[in-house]
Amino acid sequence: EPEVTQTPSHQVTQMGQEVILHCVPISNHLYFYWYRQILGQKVEFLVSFYNNEISEKSEIFDDQFSVERPDGSNFTLKIRSTKLEDSAMYFCASSVLDSYGYTFGSGTRLTVV
Amino acid sequence: AQSVTQLGSHVSVSEGALVLLRCNYSSSVPPYLFWYVQYPNQGLQLLLKYTSAATLVKGINGFEAEFKKSETSFHLTKPSAHMSDAAEYFCAVSDKAAGNKLTFGGGTRVLVKP
Repeated sequence: EPEVTQTPSHQVTQMGQEVILHCVPISNHLYFYWYRQILGQKVEFLVSFYNNEISEKSEIFDDQFSVERPDGSNFTLKIRSTKLEDSAMYFCASSVLDSYGYTFGSGTRLTVV
Repeated sequence: AQSVTQLGSHVSVSEGALVLLRCNYSSSVPPYLFWYVQYPNQGLQLLLKYTSAATLVKGINGFEAEFKKSETSFHLTKPSAHMSDAAEYFCAVSDKAAGNKLTFGGGTRVLVKP
């Protein structure tokens, strides 16, 4: 069964550093997403991406965040200057235009120290 | 704005007993509703989805959910719990089939006792 692949599975970074989280969505999917889950809290929507541009973003997705699809297969989330409160599990997801329900990756646990 | 409420952050059931996880939603448009399961240290796996077809939806691993518009509910059930059902379960709502964000409930952690 096709999978959404996220790397790394765990990333530790110092406060103020930039991190890039990597995702390879399912190849025929057209919509891409990032969500995050702070420990003990709800899964929260960050951003959706379609046709090489952001289609929707949440208030969490401020100027320190950016997304990119640098080639035909990768979808990245960059956090420019990490803060302690950015520590969370970050999930990438993708979906087909006319499908229902996303396929999520297994997540990247980001720890900011 | 959409919202999802899952009643009970933790549920404990005996192996072989009924599993019932409650989900209520609010949406200004006809919703699409989903249940996801998260096993320890893993991602979110789609259990089942409601997309305005049959109100009783069957999913993987013996789970099913019933959409009740009058009650704005989408409760998840499984007739007989198995040890492997121990996980966290999330209800989510979207107002489009795809290309729109999911709003998640707070999750319900299921513990299965032998």
